[in-house]
Amino acid sequence: AQRVTQPEKLLSVFKGAPVELKCNYSYSGSPELFWYVQYSRQRLQLLLRHISRESIKGFTADLNKGETSFHLKKPFAQEEDSAMYYCALSGGETSGSRLTFGEGTQLTVNP
Amino acid sequence: EAGVVQSPRYKIIEKKQPVAFWCNPISGHNTLYWYLQNLGQGPELLIRYENEEAVDDSQLPKDRFSAERLKGVDSTLKIQPAELGDSAVYLCASSLGDFGPTDTQYFGPGTRLTVL
Repeated sequence: AQRVTQPEKLLSVFKGAPVELKCNYSYSGSPELFWYVQYSRQRLQLLLRHISRESIKGFTADLNKGETSFHLKKPFAQEEDSAMYYCALSGGETSGSRLTFGEGTQLTVNP
Repeated sequence: EAGVVQSPRYKIIEKKQPVAFWCNPISGHNTLYWYLQNLGQGPELLIRYENEEAVDDSQLPKDRFSAERLKGVDSTLKIQPAELGDSAVYLCASSLGDFGPTDTQYFGPGTRLTVL
């Protein structure tokens, strides 16, 4: 069974500080990992995926298969980064493109 | 581009009543998903369609939930009868369907259901 764990429900940092949102997964295979974000009063949207190896809005995430982690990082947080962040996993012949989400981390960036 | 459209946005019903949600995916997207999101939780897949075929409905409670995607475009999710525990946000998403596990899913705004 595939599972995603986000250990922090709430995370609060000050503007300009580094931020790291933790994500651990369990999956017997090669997973595809994603970070989705939901800003206040907006719909859930893709932030980034590990296969693209890109930086979106200053965020990066590295897949560590040894530690089964996919933590999201940003060196200097901005107030507009305040949102709900979900780590998600898909993959496998049976689950196909089914996304399994973590419970989410509410990030608040204080001025 | 309007994105994924869902209606209604909010619905309040009494328990044991039926309710239906509608979803219009992004034009050209072959794959459609219905997710359930309980308060404080991440979304959980209920059913996935490839065109008009339900290819993953293992997590759909079939005793009271049903879904259809006639003609492979719009989709309807129904609950009959609704129970108090069904109060949640119901999300629809769509994707091209060309890339399997790496497909980007685009989400609608959701329907917030309250069962009294």
